[in-house]
Amino acid sequence: DTEVTQTPKHLVMGMTNKKSLKCEQHMGHRAMYWYKQKAKKPPELMFVYSYEKLSINESVPSRFSPECPNSSLLNLHLHALQPEDSALYLCASSQVGQEKLFFGSGTQLSVL
Amino acid sequence: DAKTTQPNSMESNEEEPVHLPCNHSTISGTDYIHWYRQLPSQGPEYVIHGLTSNVNNRMASLAIAEDRKSSTLILHRATLRDAAVYYCILGSSYKLIFGSGTRLLVRP
Repeated sequence: DTEVTQTPKHLVMGMTNKKSLKCEQHMGHRAMYWYKQKAKKPPELMFVYSYEKLSINESVPSRFSPECPNSSLLNLHLHALQPEDSALYLCASSQVGQEKLFFGSGTQLSVL
Repeated sequence: DAKTTQPNSMESNEEEPVHLPCNHSTISGTDYIHWYRQLPSQGPEYVIHGLTSNVNNRMASLAIAEDRKSSTLILHRATLRDAAVYYCILGSSYKLIFGSGTRLLVRP
């Protein structure tokens, strides 16, 4: 199984809503990542978890709150988002110290 | 973070080789050179990576200049399924900072 599964595939939310994005992998990877991709732009790194601990936060606003409850799961909790936060949110995983990342297909988020 | 420079777009004919260039003049000694590609409506997909020596795998070859300030991704026989945005990236696995990428169009 070399898949990274992201749910939901699409999400529409209002600026006052609270929602969560979920990412799951069963490859035994202990590094997991969140990227944000605006239309026609490259992915931008948001967060990196290593051994379930947050190791990189690329100065992401606090309305985005990541969580890694176990080695297979990565969540991104969303609260009080702005319309400019509308984007494709990509999850990835890798072996710690390995250069090959496996990406999911993303969650397309629209904030109204 | 070191940056990469790639052409915005390139075109190729099906079944011909494709050479995708990347400039990275500010590369540090510890930066790996990575290539990922992104097909429409999908997440990025790993293609190849290297440090100093040329690298080959079943998808592509990576040619790295001796001074490491540039590299070239080589697709030996382009197919229609290779049409994608190709990203040349410097860094480690923890911190892949994507450049703007090259959109590859493959003509049948």
